[in-house]
Amino acid sequence: DAGVIQSPRHEVTEMGQEVTLRCKPISGHDYLFWYRQTMMRGLELLIYFNNNVPIDDSGMPEDRFSAKMPNASFSTLKIQPSEPRDSAVYFCASSPSGGNLRQFFGPGTRLTVL
Amino acid sequence: RKEVEQDPGPFNVPEGATVAFNCTYSNSASQSFFWYRQDCRKEPKLLMSVYSSGNEDGRFTAQLNRASQYISLLIRDSKLSDSATYLCVVNPSGTYKYIFGTGTRLKVLA
Repeated sequence: DAGVIQSPRHEVTEMGQEVTLRCKPISGHDYLFWYRQTMMRGLELLIYFNNNVPIDDSGMPEDRFSAKMPNASFSTLKIQPSEPRDSAVYFCASSPSGGNLRQFFGPGTRLTVL
Repeated sequence: RKEVEQDPGPFNVPEGATVAFNCTYSNSASQSFFWYRQDCRKEPKLLMSVYSSGNEDGRFTAQLNRASQYISLLIRDSKLSDSATYLCVVNPSGTYKYIFGTGTRLKVLA
């Protein structure tokens, strides 16, 4: 079975450019999460969706960040304009509805903003 | 105070040793607790859930102490392959959110 799929796996861009990260959750999972991981701050939840609807975006750092989930099998996280402090690993995770709350993580996108 | 706190380590232990990590959380209404494992440059993966009565999975034992608001992970007979970062995860009541600790790094030495 395919797990959570993220693309690209690595992205190097210059300050000011737009960056779009993509995620395909596990089929049948109702919840999708976007995280950012840095050495200084660890894993931080940015936003999560339930049935394609954003539920909590309180972790989105600022207006330069936006996330969409146009359908159950695809989500994007966009940064515009990007800044060097956005350099991090961005993980997408998905979870089924139900009691156990287990989240399955994708391999991550390693973003470097020069 | 951080919502979830862990000793970052590193814990360097010889093969065969027993090692324990603790994690404290600030929200007394938290409902669910997990330990995730993260290898270098990889994604986090669920190691085990933590149940109120404590639970064991092979060499791994997890405990929850609600009164003192901490969870623990005990690893017996450490293997080289246990070397990783162990992330404590707390789920606040009524949400699907995870709050992650910053992780405890374990290195098992030959």
